[in-house]
Amino acid sequence: SQTIHQWPATLVQPVGSPLSLECTVEGTSNPNLYWYRQAAGRGLQLLFYSVGIGQISSEVPQNLSASRPQDRQFILSSKKLLLSDSGFYLCALLRDRGFHEQYFGPGTRLTVT
Amino acid sequence: AQTVTQSQPEMSVQEAETVTLSCTYDTSESDYYLFWYKQPPSRQMILVIRQEAYKQQNATENRFSVNFQKAAKSFSLKISDSQLGDAAMYFCAYRAYSGGGADGLTFGKGTHLIIQP
Repeated sequence: SQTIHQWPATLVQPVGSPLSLECTVEGTSNPNLYWYRQAAGRGLQLLFYSVGIGQISSEVPQNLSASRPQDRQFILSSKKLLLSDSGFYLCALLRDRGFHEQYFGPGTRLTVT
Repeated sequence: AQTVTQSQPEMSVQEAETVTLSCTYDTSESDYYLFWYKQPPSRQMILVIRQEAYKQQNATENRFSVNFQKAAKSFSLKISDSQLGDAAMYFCAYRAYSGGGADGLTFGKGTHLIIQP
């Protein structure tokens, strides 16, 4: 079965510091991968998606970036964090191209101070 | 752009009773998928139910069922025999049909469901 790991689970970072959140998946190959952010009291907002190694599409302009260095690894980064980057970050994969639903990882809670 | 609206920020229901959560969406697409996700306090997003727009029959998963009205662009979730474990945030989500499967989900803002014992 497919499994998503996200690291770290919780992170507190000062404004202006860099960021690297990691998502790794198991039990599948060549998955479509997604990064979402959930701000307090809000639904999820799609940030990036990737259909393969080195292929990144951005949905929302911001100071975040994403990379996919390996088939089952998806990284969310920032050079300088803003207060507004605080939130809950979720990695997801397309469970199966025939099923269409997305399966989510456990998430990373980021607090920018 | 597609939008998903959940007009009920919070709903409360007595244990063992039935509750309906509302969702409306706006799209110009004819082929798409609709989902209800549950987010308990652990914050893990869990798929509850899925509906393909080309199917007229409403989806059902045990105590969970939907009322899909394509013309009205409405997709409500009915929870029967509510249980304490159903307490969570519920999100309605939309995804346009895409042969490549690249499209992400568009979410509503969620409904906080409280179960009264």
